[in-house]
Amino acid sequence: KQEVTQIPAALSVPEGENLVLNCSFTDSAIYNLQWFRQDPGKGLTSLLLIQSSQREQTSGRLNASLDKSSGRSTLYIAASQPGDSATYLCAVLYGQNFVFGPGTRLSVLP
Amino acid sequence: GAGVSQSPRYKVAKRGQDVALRCDPISGHVSLFWYQQALGQGPEFLTYFQNEAQLDKSGLPSDRFFAERPEGSVSTLKIQRTQQEDSAVYLCAGATRSYEQYFGPGTRLTVT
Repeated sequence: KQEVTQIPAALSVPEGENLVLNCSFTDSAIYNLQWFRQDPGKGLTSLLLIQSSQREQTSGRLNASLDKSSGRSTLYIAASQPGDSATYLCAVLYGQNFVFGPGTRLSVLP
Repeated sequence: GAGVSQSPRYKVAKRGQDVALRCDPISGHVSLFWYQQALGQGPEFLTYFQNEAQLDKSGLPSDRFFAERPEGSVSTLKIQRTQQEDSAVYLCAGATRSYEQYFGPGTRLTVT
């Protein structure tokens, strides 16, 4: 059974800091890994998708890495801004199911 | 359409009522997923369609939950005889051929 965890559960940083969010999964037999952000009361917005054969993906100030052998992915956010405040979730495609982590709640203080 | 739409956005049901939640995915997304999200938690998988075929319904919590996608586009999640524990946000997502998911805004169901 695939389990996904995210550390930390919550994070508060001043504006301008670089930060790293962590995602761990127990079974390395994944098809892909996707990072999302979720604003309060809203659906999920896709940030980055990493296929199982890839090591990292970049989009603007975001960089996500994937190490299947160790069951880990990190999301790096450079030069954080107050608009980055949201909950960040990772999800792995395992078999025909997507398994989500519980999320990291990020607050970027102006 | 430009994105995934869900209706209604909010639904209040009395315990025992039946509800139907609709999802209209992005045109061309053959895969469609339904999730249940409790407050403060990540989404939990309910069921998966490829076109009109329901390939996995292992996440449906009871036989009161039923989903369909008869023409391979719009999908409906139906909950019969709602219970208080069914209160949650119900999310649907369409996915590309590389299984990149695109989510709708969700339906918040409150059972009183």
